[in-house]
Amino acid sequence: RKEVEQDPGPFNVPEGATVAFNCTYSNSASQSFFWYRQDCRKEPKLLMSVYSSGNEDGRFTAQLNRASQYISLLIRDSKLSDSATYLCVVALNTGFQKLVFGTGTRLLVSP
Amino acid sequence: GAVVSQHPSRVICKSGTSVKIECRSLDFQATTMFWYRQFPKKSLMLMATSNEGSKATYEQGVEKDKFLINHASLTLSTLTVTSAHPEDSSFYICSATTSGSRVGELFFGEGSRLTVL
Repeated sequence: RKEVEQDPGPFNVPEGATVAFNCTYSNSASQSFFWYRQDCRKEPKLLMSVYSSGNEDGRFTAQLNRASQYISLLIRDSKLSDSATYLCVVALNTGFQKLVFGTGTRLLVSP
Repeated sequence: GAVVSQHPSRVICKSGTSVKIECRSLDFQATTMFWYRQFPKKSLMLMATSNEGSKATYEQGVEKDKFLINHASLTLSTLTVTSAHPEDSSFYICSATTSGSRVGELFFGEGSRLTVL
């Protein structure tokens, strides 16, 4: 079983739609969770951290379910510029720098 | 955000030759840098953690004699793929963190696409 699993997609949605991605992780001792964004042939960039209480940043909402070991990302009012691959990332210990990446979920937002 | 530069962005080499990839932190000092490898449609896989002034820490399954890492200064880490073979063809990307960054935030270089003929 992969340490971090994501549906590769692609998710094709129209502008303005709401879309959600899920991610599961296998190691119950995982401490920290993040969503990164990677544009085509570009480097990944941190989108947001994921906290147990859930957190929101503008149109983006991230949630964590430790009992079920999954993380979600919700994007509301999708923009064309949201088209990218969204990487679910898990840190296995409190040394957050050692990150484990999922393969990513590709999102395509069309006019 | 902090800037990490990686060079070369693309390299094509013959089987058996060695290739060096440089990773530089341009506007901050990075005591720790990380090297990842990404195969097509696969996730980023951590290869090694590079610490300035000391030996790199390699992940399980990564040959330290094949992937030589040198972190001689606070702004430069290099990865040398020795005696490259076609199966080493991949996207290699470095990252670094700085004391002022957000929790879990790594700054990535642009990546280096290696093709071994």
